Amino acid sequence: GDSVTQMEGPVTLSEEAFLTINCTYTATGYPSLFWYVQYPGEGLQLLLKATKADDKGSNKGFEATYRKETTSFHLEKGSVQVSDSAVYFCALSDTGDDKIIFGKGTRLHILP
Amino acid sequence: NAGVMQNPRHLVRRRGQEARLRCSPMKGHSHVYWYRQLPEEGLKFMVYLQKENIIDESGMPKERFSAEFPKEGPSILRIQQVVRGDSAAYFCASSPSIGGVGGTNEKLFFGSGTQLSVL
Repeated sequence: GDSVTQMEGPVTLSEEAFLTINCTYTATGYPSLFWYVQYPGEGLQLLLKATKADDKGSNKGFEATYRKETTSFHLEKGSVQVSDSAVYFCALSDTGDDKIIFGKGTRLHILP
Repeated sequence: NAGVMQNPRHLVRRRGQEARLRCSPMKGHSHVYWYRQLPEEGLKFMVYLQKENIIDESGMPKERFSAEFPKEGPSILRIQQVVRGDSAAYFCASSPSIGGVGGTNEKLFFGSGTQLSVL
C-alpha cells in the first residue's frame, strides 16, 4: 500500500541555519504530495503542495520539489526562524483517492 | 469564518466507558475525515464521511469504533468500551468538495484535535 517515510526528529537547529527534512514515498498511482505543519496546540495546516513530477511547491520561504525518479519530496528552507519550530508532516494523496496518508512527522526546534 | 471545531479538547474516560468526539466542519464543507495520532506515530486515517454516508472506513478498527455525519449537526466519532490503547489525539478535517484532496483546488482543513486519555 501507499506510504510516506520521513526523517525522524527531533531536529534542532540554530536560527538562520539551512533546513532539510527528508521525505520519500511509495504509491501505486500518480500522487499529489504535501507538507503540513502543526504548531503547538493546533491542528495541521497545509504548508505547500505539488501535484505532478518536477513541480515545486513553496510557501513562507519553504520549498519542496516533486522528484518522481527518486520518489522524494524533501522540505527545505534557506534560513530558519524560531517561529518555524513545529512538527512537519509529509503526506500524499494517490490517484483517485480522497484521503491523505501522512508520515510520522518531524519535530523541529529552532534555537535563538 | 470559523474553522473546523472539535470538542472537547480533552476527554478523560475510564476503561469500559464510552467516548464521543464531535467535529463541526467549516461552513460549506460537506466532507469530513477522522485521523488518529498515537504517541511517536504519524496521523493514521480512520474514516471519510459525507453527509449521511460513510465513503471510506478502511482505517476504522472493526469493533467498538463508529462514525456518523448526520444531515444536521456535527460529525461524531464514537468509541465504545474504551481501553488504554485508545488514548491518542483524534483529529478531524473537512474539505469543500469531492475529490477535495486530489483536485486542483484541494485543501484539507484540520481542527485542533481531541486528546483522549483512558485511565
